[in-house]
Parts: sequence; C-alpha cells; structure tokens
Amino acid sequence: EVQLVESGGGLVQPGGSLRLSCAASGFTFSSYAMSWVRQAPGKGLEWVSAITSGGNTYYADSVKGRFTVSRDNSKNTLYLQMNSLRAEDTAVYYCASDSSGYYCWGQGTLVTVSS
Amino acid sequence: EIVLTQSPDFQSVTPKEKVTITCRASQSIGSGLHWYQQKPDQSPKVLIKHASQSFSGVPSRFSGSGSGTDFALTINSLEAEDVATYYCHQSSSLPPTFGQGTKVEIK
Repeated sequence: EVQLVESGGGLVQPGGSLRLSCAASGFTFSSYAMSWVRQAPGKGLEWVSAITSGGNTYYADSVKGRFTVSRDNSKNTLYLQMNSLRAEDTAVYYCASDSSGYYCWGQGTLVTVSS
Repeated sequence: EIVLTQSPDFQSVTPKEKVTITCRASQSIGSGLHWYQQKPDQSPKVLIKHASQSFSGVPSRFSGSGSGTDFALTINSLEAEDVATYYCHQSSSLPPTFGQGTKVEIK
C-alpha cells in the first residue's frame, strides 16, 4: 500500500525553526518527484516546494530563502527545513507524490507559529 | 503565475442531482489540470488527472472534461458521501497553483 506519513509539526515562536519529515512506503520513492503543499486553517491549498527525483528543488516565492526541501532516498524520507517562521506560515503541511498531479497525499502535520 | 478560478464557490445540491464545477485558467495549460476531493478533516484525494483521466478506484460518477483554459468536473447523481470541497490544480507551469475550492453540500 502506498503511504506517506508526515511528522515534525508543532508550536513554534515567530522567527523559529522546524523540520518536517515525510516517510514514504509502498512505492519506489527514489523514482518520484515529491512536493509539499500547505493549507492554512479554513483556507485552500497552496503549493510550497518540490524536489525532483534527481534532486532539483523549487519553491514558492512566499518561502524562498527560508525553507529548504531535501530527500534521503536511502531512508525513503522527504524533509522540509523551515527557518525564520512567520505567523502566516501557520498551516497543515502535506507531502505528496508528484507525477504532475499529486496522486498520493499524507495525513498532514500542523505547524502553528505563535508567541 | 497561472491563476485558476473555480465556479461556483459553494453549491447546495439534492441527492442524485448532477453537479458541474468549472475551473478557468488565466492562460492555456493544455491538459495539465487535475481535480481533488477533500472531505472534512481529511487530506485531499485525486479524482481526475490530466483533465479527463479518471484515477484508479474513483467512482465512475466523477468525470472531467476540457482543455486549454476551460475545464469542468462533473458528478453524476450526487451521493451523500460526496460532500466535500473540490479543488482544481494545474501542473503545466511553475509555480503549480490551485483553484480556490468549491464546497458541495447536500440540500
């Protein structure tokens, strides 16, 4: 069964850092691009970042320079390092397998940025 | 950035009624348009990929159409379990973008 499980969310103060993880199973993780998509409370979906199977990375303008996406194919795990967090980064963060469309999503992890 | 505009924002529908949600792109995206269903307190699930291809396991009452700038998701004969918010998403150019969502509820 294809599965993605996010972890690492929590409460952090403005300006703080957090690292999210996404553990993949049930498919050949190294062959797929992966993305992070977030959803602020009561709002719609917003693409955050993507990493190709070859390691090329892409970011939304709103997080460029603050967030870093990476992957460890030996551990079948995707990461999102989030620095200089702002209140507007508060959201549920989903990882998703990326084959142009997002065919598999994790359950999400909540990040709350507040003092 | 390509803007996707969904219509309507909200739809209240009686069971077995047909539902059509449209998604208009600010520029041509070919068939790089996908549809997702998000039920309350759940993560999104893909329904339709590349404008009209049904994803494996999705009930046949869901279908997609369109190309270029105008797309539609149709739910034939709405069921109670279809109460959800529906999103379109384009993968044609960076950054990927989503429509604002269409909330469907049972009347």
